[in-house]
This record gives sequence, C-alpha cells and structure tokens, in this order.
Amino acid sequence: ETGVTQSPTHLIKTRGQQVTLRCSSQSGHNTVSWYQQALGQGPQFIFQYYREEENGRGNFPPRFSGLQFPNYSSELNVNALELDDSALYLCASTYDSSSPLHFGNGTRLTVT
Amino acid sequence: QQQVKQSPQSLIVQKGGISIINCAYENTAFDYFPWYQQFPGKGPALLIAIRPDVSEKKEGRFTISFNKSAKQFSLHIMDSQPGDSATYFCAASEAYSGAGSYQLTFGKGTKLSVIP
Repeated sequence: ETGVTQSPTHLIKTRGQQVTLRCSSQSGHNTVSWYQQALGQGPQFIFQYYREEENGRGNFPPRFSGLQFPNYSSELNVNALELDDSALYLCASTYDSSSPLHFGNGTRLTVT
Repeated sequence: QQQVKQSPQSLIVQKGGISIINCAYENTAFDYFPWYQQFPGKGPALLIAIRPDVSEKKEGRFTISFNKSAKQFSLHIMDSQPGDSATYFCAASEAYSGAGSYQLTFGKGTKLSVIP
C-alpha cells in the first residue's frame, strides 16, 4: 500500500507568482485535505475535498484554491504569492470520518 | 484565536524517563483528539488518538489521558528513548456529520529531546 506522495519536495518562487502543488492520495482514500505549516508552528487547515467537491475550508483567502481529480489525486494552487506563504504544505488523505488522516511529507515552498 | 493550547514548547528528558505533554482546548464540540509525531523533513504521523467516551488510552509506551470537564488531554511517553526525539502535536476536531472527513486544529507543537 503506497502512502500519500507529494511533489515537488522543494520549490522557490518569487512574490506575485503562482504555484501548483500536487498530491497523490493513499490508495482507496476518497478525501484529501491540505494544510499549511509555517516554521515552528502546527499545521493549519486550508481546505478539504471529497469526491472532487470542496467540502470544508479554513481561514485562507480565495487565492488558495484546489482541485481533486477522479483518481482522487489533488492539486493546491496559490496565486499572487506573498512572502508569508513560505511554509511546508502538507497533503493528507483518508477514507472516511472514522479513519485517521495520513499525511505526506510535504512540499517546502519558499517565496522570495 | 488559538483553539488548542499545547505546552511545553520544548522538553528535555533523560533516556528511560517519562515525557509528558499537555493540551487544552476551548471548543466543546471537539470530539476527536489525536497526537501526531513529526520528524524533521517528514510529515506528521499519527501516534495515538482518543475520543471523549474514555478517559485513558494506552498503546505500547504511549498513553493519552483525557479530562473532559477540564477540557484537557495529555500524552505520556513511558521509558522515553532517543529515537522518540521529535516534535509532537496534539490536535482536535469536531464530529463530522457530512460526507468525507474532518478538519484538525493543531497545537503549536512540543519539541522533545531524549538524551542518553
């Protein structure tokens, strides 16, 4: 059973640019969530997708958007990057509300 | 608004000792309380979790104690080992009645160092 995989592992972007991060859910998992983890902080919930529909969103502006595909893989898109967007972006997947969240190792985004 | 407060920020324990990390929450709708372990360069990994219908859960050297009236829960690591050195996060989520899963609210983390 493969776990949650994320790509790329590291990324450097310039303020104002756009970025797309990718996630492959663990096999059989139909729910994917994205979290932002700033340095020295706990992860913060961005949003969640279930069967290709967003069904939960944290306190993040609309320039953070996502997609989930029929194979349950997912993308996180961030437009108009700001310096404060520099963080580790974590993808997590699960099967249902009675199952634990499984996290990937994240994408480290640096905005200069 | 920090809904889950975690302490201490850092902890140094001798090998073989007991590590204790505490968390307090405000939202009485929370009903799932997991602990995650994170090593540098890795994502968080679920260690142990509890629901409020029990006051304690033990898995190997790891125990969660839960006090619903005080809105507090803690992680105890018995016989701490150098390999336990990592950052530990408590988290909480509300009961999810809709399709799919739940959103976790994390504490700020505790960096545990176990010295030989």
